[in-house]
Amino acid sequence: GQQVMQIPQYQHVQEGEDFTTYCNSSTTLSNIQWYKQRPGGHPVFLIQLVKSGEVKKQKRLTFQFGEAKKNSSLHITATQTTDVGTYFCAGWGKLQFGAGTQVVVTP
Amino acid sequence: IAGITQAPTSQILAAGRRMTLRCTQDMRHNAMYWYRQDLGLGLRLIHYSNTAGTTGKGEVPDGYSVSRANTDDFPLTLASAVPSQTSVYFCASSPTTSGSFDEQFFGPGTRLTVL
Repeated sequence: GQQVMQIPQYQHVQEGEDFTTYCNSSTTLSNIQWYKQRPGGHPVFLIQLVKSGEVKKQKRLTFQFGEAKKNSSLHITATQTTDVGTYFCAGWGKLQFGAGTQVVVTP
Repeated sequence: IAGITQAPTSQILAAGRRMTLRCTQDMRHNAMYWYRQDLGLGLRLIHYSNTAGTTGKGEVPDGYSVSRANTDDFPLTLASAVPSQTSVYFCASSPTTSGSFDEQFFGPGTRLTVL
């Protein structure tokens, strides 16, 4: 069945650095969503990607959907302390969330 | 209220006891979901409901039941709690019946400990 994997599970970033988290599915997805969960909070929707090869930007965040619609990435530039949290991808075909990438930012 | 509320906020429960987690939304969303969140495993779907009167099984439904008598409420029941059901439970909703292209709105969560 469908499996959605996220890497890395944990990312320690120096403030000002860039980093990327990846989401890979074993099957083709109809669309993919990204959510952010702050420590102690609940997941909050960030963005949705639907088209093959789609790229969307939100300020310092860039989201990509792979050409085969089986993978996606989230790239954050110039990381800030407000970026702390866990980032989840959610793949639709059969709804499944990845395990998340926990981001810790060092000032 | 605006959004999704969950009750209780946290609960410690003896194994074998019955427990119902409550979830209410006031956005008139059609679809609702229950997830459990465990360290290293992310969010796993327990049950969902595309519209009032219908429910479906998610990835980890065993030991849980749900009902959807109306649009606003989607309670999750543990008939006989076991320690492996210790987790943080999130309820979510999305506007349309299919839900697949909708943003999901999450409640604040219920932290459940089964001893």
